[in-house]
Parts: sequence; C-alpha cells; structure tokens
Amino acid sequence: EIVLTQSPDFQSVTPKEKVTITCRASQSIGTSLHWYQQKPDQSPNLLIKYASQSISGVPSRFSGSGSGTDFTLTINSLEAEDAAAYYCHQSNSFPLTFGGGTKVEIK
Amino acid sequence: EVQLVESGGGLVQPGGSLRLSCAASGLTFNNYVMSWVRQAPGKGLEWVSGISGSGDSTYYADSVKGRFTIYRDNSKNTLYLQMNSLRAEDTAVYYCAKGGYSYASYFDYWGQGTLVTVSS
Repeated sequence: EIVLTQSPDFQSVTPKEKVTITCRASQSIGTSLHWYQQKPDQSPNLLIKYASQSISGVPSRFSGSGSGTDFTLTINSLEAEDAAAYYCHQSNSFPLTFGGGTKVEIK
Repeated sequence: EVQLVESGGGLVQPGGSLRLSCAASGLTFNNYVMSWVRQAPGKGLEWVSGISGSGDSTYYADSVKGRFTIYRDNSKNTLYLQMNSLRAEDTAVYYCAKGGYSYASYFDYWGQGTLVTVSS
C-alpha cells in the first residue's frame, strides 16, 4: 500500500499569506496525485489533478507541483473562504489512498 | 450537471447489514469508474471500494474485504455498497465518488454523503 504523508497537520495563517502543504508518497507514483479541499460539513472538492493540472472553476491562487514521491499544494494569497481541510490522493495503484489531511485555519 | 445522491445510511447494530445506494444523473454512467470513500467522525478520507464502468472489475480496501460488496446497475444509473458484518469502526459518512474512464484517475464529483452508525 502506498502511504501518503501530509505536512503540516494544521496551519494557522493570516489572510494574504502564502500556504504550502506537502504530500510525500512512500514510493514513486509519477504524477498520479490529486488534491481536494473539504470545508466543514461539505463533501470534498477537487482542486488539482495529476499533481499540477488546474481544474475549471478553481481559483488560480491554488497550484500544485511535484512528481515521483514529493508533491506540494500552494495557496497564494490566502482568503478567508480557504479555511478548510486539504487532502492529497494517489491513483497510481490499489488500494487508492489519501493523505491524513491538513487543516488550514484563518487567524 | 452531474449529480450523485447517496441513500441508505442509518443506525445498525454490530454484526448487522446495510445497503447503500448512489443514484447518478447528468453523465453516461457506464463510462466511468465509481468508488465509495468514507470519513469517520472527525477523521480523514478513506477509500473503501471501486468498480469499473462495466461492473466486471472490483477492488476493495483490506479493512472491508470479504465484508463489503460493491456493484452497479447501469440500467438504473445506480451504484451500491452492500455492507455485512458491520463493526463499530465502520461508523462514517460514506460518499460515492465519480472517477474517470480508468482507475488511474481523480474523483471529480462527490455525493453529499450518507451517515452509517454502527452501535448497540
């Protein structure tokens, strides 16, 4: 099983700051890594697909990078509406797995 | 617009059974891999099971293998999860999620979730 390790677990950030969340895979997964945002009491929402590909309708302040085992989700100029949990997910092999999540709080 | 609507959750005793349904609309249902993903209270996301568009291929997390069965009725655009021998640790919100044409894909649509509580 491919284990995805996210860091940090929690981040408290002021608006307009830059946020960086990392996801490390226990073995190489190419670019089969996707990012989701989940706001309280809502379903997850796809933010980034295949490590760095943008999704229609997602604000441009969200971007992703990486390949192999190390991946990054960046939120440029954080807005209050970005308070949420963020998860990475690998689709390289079964069982499909998610990272443990990163909760972003607005100061 | 793609819509996924889950139903069938509820309170069940340990060792009991429950069947979840996910009604899909706004897509050519049989083209896509579908999955169930769950989230225990206050915890992260856990992939549970996936099924190919035709229904011929299925995959399970080790935690549910042998107890849960995923299947689909493409004539009704509906995905199912039959859950047997339920345990307290199966308590979670269960989401159905739409994948791509193959398993090597992201989940671009999610249902609203249905809560399963396993307790005596």
